[in-house]
Amino acid sequence: DIQMTQSPPTLSASVGDRVTITCRASQSINDWLAWYQQRPGKAPKLLIYQASRLEGGVPSRFSGSGSGTEFTLTINSLQPDDFATYYCQQYNRNSPFTFGQGTKLDVK
Amino acid sequence: QLHLQESGPRLVKPSETLSLTCTVSGGSISSSNYYWAWIRQSPGKGLEWIGSLFYSGSPYHNPSFESRVSISIDTSKNQLSLKLTSVTAADTAMYYCARQYTHYESWSDQWPLYYFDYWGQGTLVTVSS
Repeated sequence: DIQMTQSPPTLSASVGDRVTITCRASQSINDWLAWYQQRPGKAPKLLIYQASRLEGGVPSRFSGSGSGTEFTLTINSLQPDDFATYYCQQYNRNSPFTFGQGTKLDVK
Repeated sequence: QLHLQESGPRLVKPSETLSLTCTVSGGSISSSNYYWAWIRQSPGKGLEWIGSLFYSGSPYHNPSFESRVSISIDTSKNQLSLKLTSVTAADTAMYYCARQYTHYESWSDQWPLYYFDYWGQGTLVTVSS
């Protein structure tokens, strides 16, 4: 299986900050990567797919980049609603779909 | 607005079969551009994909569950079902159903599976005697 490694596990920030979360794949996945946001007690919510495409209705302060094995999720000008846990997920062909272990974004 | 709702027993005994249903409303489970999936989440293993099924096709299962899992769709009820046999405490988790995007790729003549764009709220299943 393709292993997805996120860093950092926890990130502390303040409203208005710009933050970046990294996701590394154990082998190349081209740009077959999605990012999700999960708030406590809720299901994950799709933010970005194909590494950089913003899902409809997601604020433009969220952006994704990368290809191959290294990817980033950037959130510009953090809002109170953005404090949550973020997961990456790969959907490479002919591989079981796997998720990163998550990055918890909390208030500094 | 699409809505997915999981239901089923919250407590299952070890060695028995876990059975869950996901009812889809606000859209058709027979849609040509979507698979339907089960994903679970536990503190120990995080998010794990269990399997995906197209309404008229063969399922894809995570090899980690291959011998124990069965996924089916009842189009008349707009429902997705999961059966997981021989459960242990390690199967204690929040179980989600989700919609998974697909589209036909003419160059490969395939329908690859992509990301999960809608999720149910999840149901917590505990395996304990």
